[in-house]
Amino acid sequence: DSGVTQTPKHLITATGQRVTLRCSPRSGDLSVYWYQQSLDQGLQFLIQYYNGEERAKGNILERFSAQQFPDLHSELNLSSLELGDSALYFCASSSGGIGTEAFFGQGTRLTVV
Amino acid sequence: GDSVTQMEGPVTLSEEACLTINCTYTATGYPSLFWYVQYPGEGLQLLLKATKADDKGSNKGFEATYRKETTSFHLEKGSVQVSDSAVYFCALNDYKLSFGAGTTVTVRA
Repeated sequence: DSGVTQTPKHLITATGQRVTLRCSPRSGDLSVYWYQQSLDQGLQFLIQYYNGEERAKGNILERFSAQQFPDLHSELNLSSLELGDSALYFCASSSGGIGTEAFFGQGTRLTVV
Repeated sequence: GDSVTQMEGPVTLSEEACLTINCTYTATGYPSLFWYVQYPGEGLQLLLKATKADDKGSNKGFEATYRKETTSFHLEKGSVQVSDSAVYFCALNDYKLSFGAGTTVTVRA
């Protein structure tokens, strides 16, 4: 158990809909990362937060947004969903220090039908 | 920017064979280097890490040495087991955590 909790584990929704994925980081970790993993594109970095502020942005679509709340949990919002958004979405957390390792949650499997 | 390149898979081995997965990196600073493993249906787990040049990370029989002169961090195991079948990711963290594309390893009994 990494200490990172993601909910829900599975999500099935229709095209055009909006969903929210939730992540609780390990106790004491200030930084949260979001990744998308699909079969054909590997692990894609979406966005990183540190203590509530956006720290780094990757290949995150405009239809996607995220935030980190004062209690340090984070949410990833995906809207106007398309079939191609079907993937595993992982959250990871770290202390946020330069060079530190990240610990991953079990992921949310999103299926868009 | 920082990037990681690792050998493409898939790799298929017999039990007790030696495994090497090559990983090279590009970084402007002095990153920490990691290997993560993803077993089927699970999230990524930290396998080992090295934080400075010439450091050797090791865990579960796997080893990797931080080679600054060749900018490499190759993963090795002398005798693999069926339970080592997984996807392996090389990663670095300087100011941002960056991952390689992953290498799928299948070990046959």
